[in-house]
Amino acid sequence: DQQVKQNSPSLSVQEGRISILNCDYTNSMFDYFLWYKKYPAEGPTFLISISSIKDKNEDGRFTVFLNKSAKHLSLHIVPSQPGDSAVYFCAASGGGSQGNLIFGKGTKLSVKP
Amino acid sequence: DAGVIQSPRHEVTEMGQEVTLRCKPISGHNSLFWYRQTMMRGLELLIYFNNNVPIDDSGMPEDRFSAKMPNASFSTLKIQPSEPRDSAVYFCASTSSRDRGLGANVLTFGAGSRLTVL
Repeated sequence: DQQVKQNSPSLSVQEGRISILNCDYTNSMFDYFLWYKKYPAEGPTFLISISSIKDKNEDGRFTVFLNKSAKHLSLHIVPSQPGDSAVYFCAASGGGSQGNLIFGKGTKLSVKP
Repeated sequence: DAGVIQSPRHEVTEMGQEVTLRCKPISGHNSLFWYRQTMMRGLELLIYFNNNVPIDDSGMPEDRFSAKMPNASFSTLKIQPSEPRDSAVYFCASTSSRDRGLGANVLTFGAGSRLTVL
């Protein structure tokens, strides 16, 4: 019973184009959402986050959108670069378990030159 | 800061042997988490500590797994006896629960310990 779902195991995008990674959640008590990026043989690293009181947060090439009514969030990367190739994890927190992140299974992004 | 430090980076052992994984959190962080990553289940939380006290160990698979945090700068995850299905990458992460709101939720992860049980 997954509370955070990333339904696309992989995504391939051309360099310079937009990458859109999607995430769905089931627990309406979640109040923080985060995206982590993971390279092989390394730990996940924090990328960008959003509070449930917002619907958009932007940081350079990365933008996260939150649709609370649909329990859906997405990460947009524009323009995509080959160095963005990694596994991206969506995570959620809240409902009284501050700091305890619930992760999706990840989406492997490949950006082709 | 050197970040979260985990050891060993790789461990290959035989079924039935005891395995001990170690973690040093970031100095000043008071919350520590152990996660396990497998292909089937992704990243799943095993246990977390706040101020060295275990808060939630509901993710620990069974009694063969145990975790300790004797002080603020060190934690261990022990598997005894180990089984082939324990093969996975084990991550330790830390944060400061004293940070408010989003800050407390941004975990910093170590590089992981890849465990192979033959």
